[in-house]
Amino acid sequence: NAGVMQNPRHLVRRRGQEARLRCSPMKGHSHVYWYRQLPEEGLKFMVYLQKENIIDESGMPKERFSAEFPKEGPSILRIQQVVRGDSAAYFCASSPQDSVRRYFGPGTRLLVL
Amino acid sequence: SQQGEEDPQALSIQEGENATMNCSYKTSINNLQWYRQNSGRGLVHLILIRSNEREKHSGRLRVTLDTSKKSSSLLITASRAADTASYFCATGTQGGSEKLVFGKGMKLTVNP
Repeated sequence: NAGVMQNPRHLVRRRGQEARLRCSPMKGHSHVYWYRQLPEEGLKFMVYLQKENIIDESGMPKERFSAEFPKEGPSILRIQQVVRGDSAAYFCASSPQDSVRRYFGPGTRLLVL
Repeated sequence: SQQGEEDPQALSIQEGENATMNCSYKTSINNLQWYRQNSGRGLVHLILIRSNEREKHSGRLRVTLDTSKKSSSLLITASRAADTASYFCATGTQGGSEKLVFGKGMKLTVNP
């Protein structure tokens, strides 16, 4: 049973470009969470999704950031018009229904030049 | 904010010694979890303790929870060089644990 998959593992973008981060949850997991981690910091919750629904996006910046988890395919975290402050590691986690434990992917390290 | 805070922020010990990490939080919780992160990697779940539990064991790990003091501790016994990593506590709220809140983490170095 493959773990949580994230791609790309590393992403370099210039200011103003778009970044698309993908996450495939573990098989059988219906809940996906996105977190952001700045260097030497803990993880900050961004958004919690179930298939085709955003359940909690209270940690998402109001502008430029969006997330989806379509019926088919991976969850996507999209950052439009990236700025240097968006440089961070973005982690996806998944869990089955009614579980409080999270299974984390390896992360995508975004660098904005 | 109910964000957990780990203490100490960094700890360096010799192989074979025990390592104790503490976590304090501010609001009522449903559960508290500990995760490990190796450099450049994702987080790995170590152990979960629910608010109605006081102590749990898993291999060389022992976690305690004191809800009256809003604190938890993680003890790693007989440490190994491979235990070198950052350790995070994460709290889940009552009535829904979807938004796990992580502390800033504690860096443990185990010297061979």
